[in-house]
Amino acid sequence: LAKTTQPISMDSYEGQEVNITCSHNNIATNDYITWYQQFPSQGPRFIIQGYKTKVTNEVASLFIPADRKSSTLSLPRVSLSDTAVYYCLVGPRDSSYKLIFGSGTRLLVRP
Amino acid sequence: GAVVSQHPSWVICKSGTSVKIECRSLDFQATTMFWYRQFPKQSLMLMATSNEGSKATYEQGVEKDKFLINHASLTLSTLTVTSAHPEDSSFYICSAPLSGRAGETQYFGPGTRLLVL
Repeated sequence: LAKTTQPISMDSYEGQEVNITCSHNNIATNDYITWYQQFPSQGPRFIIQGYKTKVTNEVASLFIPADRKSSTLSLPRVSLSDTAVYYCLVGPRDSSYKLIFGSGTRLLVRP
Repeated sequence: GAVVSQHPSWVICKSGTSVKIECRSLDFQATTMFWYRQFPKQSLMLMATSNEGSKATYEQGVEKDKFLINHASLTLSTLTVTSAHPEDSSFYICSAPLSGRAGETQYFGPGTRLLVL
């Protein structure tokens, strides 16, 4: 299981772009990188997944360098409602693969 | 998208009683489901893997006799906390993977808040 390292917390202001970096030095060839968002007293919600280079959806972008030992979740123009905990997970895209959550990054967006 | 539900959303019980939490995949079948526990300000901790038609697989340190898991159908897994004690008070979350879907791999339930008095 690839271990991930993220900043414990980050602060930002409304309208700013937020970049959260995750380190996964031991990522395996068949591992994908997935980010989840969790609000208090709710289950995690899928944000984005990628294998290499750049992935973008309506919510975020995911940047993965060539060596894949890290990844950066980019949230454009955050709002107060983006205050949440963000988890970076690494593992094969096997539906039976059990997810092991790290500590996550607690993002606080201020007005 | 696919939806996973949990019932109840919250429960309060007396110490020594048993509590059952249901996890359902609403529009897809799941031969495997996962149960997590989350204490305040902490990350999710995987408790066990629920397998339809067979015994659950428990993570190290999780008492299988205390946390009974039954995966009776392809859309339902239940977690029973037996002889609950105050230290079992936590937020319990289940997830179900959707096979073959590009991108998203697991869907999480909304969680069940358990308070043992």
